[in-house]
Amino acid sequence: TQLLEQSPQFLSIQEGENLTVYCNSSSVFSSLQWYRQEPGEGPVLLVTVVTGGEVKKLKRLTFQFGDARKDSSLHITAAQPGDTGLYLCAGPFTGGGNKLTFGTGTQLKVEL
Amino acid sequence: DAGITQSPRHKVTETGTPVTLRCHQTENHRYMYWYRQDPGHGLRLIHYSYGVKDTDKGEVSDGYSVSRSKTEDFLLTLESATSSQTSVYFCAIRGIGDQPQHFGDGTRLSIL
Repeated sequence: TQLLEQSPQFLSIQEGENLTVYCNSSSVFSSLQWYRQEPGEGPVLLVTVVTGGEVKKLKRLTFQFGDARKDSSLHITAAQPGDTGLYLCAGPFTGGGNKLTFGTGTQLKVEL
Repeated sequence: DAGITQSPRHKVTETGTPVTLRCHQTENHRYMYWYRQDPGHGLRLIHYSYGVKDTDKGEVSDGYSVSRSKTEDFLLTLESATSSQTSVYFCAIRGIGDQPQHFGDGTRLSIL
């Protein structure tokens, strides 16, 4: 079973602070995705990382895929209240089948 | 929006009753998925479909069945609902190749 563990589970910070969310596994993934989910809505894809060591930036969000492709991180610079939400990492099941396994999630709250 | 509609959006029912959730897409995508989301577990795959009448089990399929008689509709049935099936259910769709999954807005199901 491929498990994706996220930490921290909950994070409450003030506007302007920086934060990092981690997604770790003992399994190797061909790629990892990051989603953000707001209350009452489904998850929305933010980014896909596919190469070990890859770094992708999306405005104030920086995503990194570990060299061994077993872990990933999401760093947010100068967090804003609009960043509040549930952040989920996900990776494809071994053997394909176009299925994803999701991490346990990190609930982020950014306060004024 | 990715053209996904889940119905109903909310449902309260009693233990032992049958329940059917519907996912309708207008994108003509091949793949469709049903997930459940519970605190501390992220999203867990229940069943998925890779074409009309082609379905397969996910990681938490016990107590659930699915049907896909048309490309656009994917039904999830709880034959005899139990309180442990109280959850938020999400449908997702995906095209071929490297296209990402797109999610509906969820169905909140409460079984009393």
